[in-house]
Amino acid sequence: GAGVSQSPSNKVTEKGKDVELRCDPISGHTALYWYRQSLGQGLEFLIYFQGNSAPDKSGLPSDRFSAERTGGSVSTLTIQRTQQEDSAVYLCASSSRLAGRSTDTQYFGPGTRLTVL
Amino acid sequence: KQEVTQIPAALSVPEGENLVLNCSFTDSAIYNLQWFRQDPGKGLTSLLLIQSSQREQTSGRLNASLDKSSGRSTLYIAASQPGDSATYLCAVTAKLIWGLGTSLAVNP
Repeated sequence: GAGVSQSPSNKVTEKGKDVELRCDPISGHTALYWYRQSLGQGLEFLIYFQGNSAPDKSGLPSDRFSAERTGGSVSTLTIQRTQQEDSAVYLCASSSRLAGRSTDTQYFGPGTRLTVL
Repeated sequence: KQEVTQIPAALSVPEGENLVLNCSFTDSAIYNLQWFRQDPGKGLTSLLLIQSSQREQTSGRLNASLDKSSGRSTLYIAASQPGDSATYLCAVTAKLIWGLGTSLAVNP
């Protein structure tokens, strides 16, 4: 079946503009995660969704970052007033995790490479 | 705060060699540990998932072990091939706290 997909694959934007990144998880996966990987740094957790709610937003770096998930499926990560330090690869993952249980394998999308000029 | 460390940061081996990649974590209260590979310009591929109640998992030439009490995991790659060249990452718990990875180069 289809894996996790993300769009766009690449996004170049000017400092101060808003951007939206989209993630389509694997059908039926209840858990969805956003991460980012900055150049020369490791992967960084941003936010976790279980269904449409986000029990863990602890990784969002500032209030310029927000995310939502609708219909228990597609998720959008929005970055307002982008800054150069937001440049990174943003990765989405999904799993069939059930609340309160240890997670199943997370399957990753190919990522969106965001460049803020 | 959970911290994950991977040693070595980079490794270059001749084809055919068996090798071990190391991962350590500071908080033993984990749900599970996953090993991934990341190829340049591509996404992450999950290799092995070890639940907190398990000691090891095997997939083909890969074997991953987990010792929660000591906060360590190892990824063993048997008979390495040039196609194994990638960055290998370990991550713990549900929201995945990541190590920085080991960059592996297998030389033909």
